[in-house]
Amino acid sequence: QVQLQESGPGLVKPSETLSLTCRVSGDSISDFYWGWIRQSPGRGLEWIGNTFHRGRTNYNPSLKSRVTMSIDRSRNEVSLKLRSVTAADTAVYYCARDISTDHGVFDPWGQGTLVTVSS
Amino acid sequence: DIQMTQSPSSLSASVGDKVTITCRASETINIYLDWYQQRPGQAPKLLIYAASALQEGVPARFSGSGSGTDFTLTISSLQPEDVATYYCQQSHRSPLSFGGGTKVEVK
Repeated sequence: QVQLQESGPGLVKPSETLSLTCRVSGDSISDFYWGWIRQSPGRGLEWIGNTFHRGRTNYNPSLKSRVTMSIDRSRNEVSLKLRSVTAADTAVYYCARDISTDHGVFDPWGQGTLVTVSS
Repeated sequence: DIQMTQSPSSLSASVGDKVTITCRASETINIYLDWYQQRPGQAPKLLIYAASALQEGVPARFSGSGSGTDFTLTISSLQPEDVATYYCQQSHRSPLSFGGGTKVEVK
């Protein structure tokens, strides 16, 4: 059974880069697209983007200029980098498997990790 | 971008009641509509994909219907463990987008 576990700093300073990792166990990371979604009280659920192991990515245009996603097949990990963060980027960040080949049907999701942007 | 609107934003019903949640897309999305359940303190969980396909392991009391712009999630007989917030999501076109959620409580 596939399991996803997000990890990374819980506190990031404004203007810095948010870096998160999602470790995938129980499944081959090469067989699926993987997505990042965030959730905050003010913005609800917001799709950040999807990535595939051959370097293919699909980002939300609202975040595209600040986002980089990648896959490390040797570690079975998916990473997210979000540059130049502000308080508006404070959210719970989830990684999820896309079971629909980049159509964006997510199952399962990781437990999520809270990232707070504050000085 | 495609906007997703859910109604109601919250509801309270008794155990055994039939519960219906609606989701409307700002433009046609064919059947590319998915439903998620988020229990308090947990991550979202996929219930329904492609408007009406039940995800493996999801109880049969959950069902989905609709196409185009109007969709419905139905819980045929509400159970205590169904207390959660339910979200619709369009998977038709990037950027993917979610509804604002419907909070379901048990009386």
